[in-house]
Amino acid sequence: GAVVSQHPSRVICKSGTSVKIECRSLDFQATTMFWYRQFPKQSLMLMATSNEGSKATYEQGVEKDKFLINHASLTLSTLTVTSAHPEDSSFYICSAPPAGGAEDTQYFGPGTRLTVL
Amino acid sequence: AQTVTQSQPEMSVQEAETVTLSCTYDTSENNYYLFWYKQPPSRQMILVIRQEAYKQQNATENRFSVNFQKAAKSFSLKISDSQLGDTAMYFCAFMKQGGSEKLVFGKGTKLTVNP
Repeated sequence: GAVVSQHPSRVICKSGTSVKIECRSLDFQATTMFWYRQFPKQSLMLMATSNEGSKATYEQGVEKDKFLINHASLTLSTLTVTSAHPEDSSFYICSAPPAGGAEDTQYFGPGTRLTVL
Repeated sequence: AQTVTQSQPEMSVQEAETVTLSCTYDTSENNYYLFWYKQPPSRQMILVIRQEAYKQQNATENRFSVNFQKAAKSFSLKISDSQLGDTAMYFCAFMKQGGSEKLVFGKGTKLTVNP
């Protein structure tokens, strides 16, 4: 089956620094990728939709200047958490529907655990 | 906007028995997809089963089956012959038809299968 990878799998950073998380589709192209955040014992909440070659679409309440998204190629989207604070500590998951594939199909990355000290 | 409601935060079942997880949703769309995802302790999201809204026949995948009631906007998951490996969080999710659409998740049900 199709594979989506995320890097790093876990990261610890100091408050005020920026962290970049990569989401890659390894064996398919994706014009769209989705970024979710999951707090402990909670559900996945969509943060933004990443669109290849254009600006990301952010969900209501998500600060676009804090969570920078770049979808520079058909296989890579990055999420940069700028000036991270402890409240940004969470599990970040990406998913990607394959371009030209079945419209109800999405593949999930394994997630990135971010801890901000 | 679509919403998905899972009213059972936690459930438990004995190994080899059957358990049903509930899910209701709200939408004004007529064409859409519904899903059940499993998230084990590894936190990797795993698709369990999917249902197209235009299909009246309930989807089945081995020990997993759904009871899809479109008029009632209900989409329950039945797990037969429960196994220890079924212990996980289960999320019900909704997706509009149209391609590259987002998933809307319920809050999840934590299922524990006891030996």
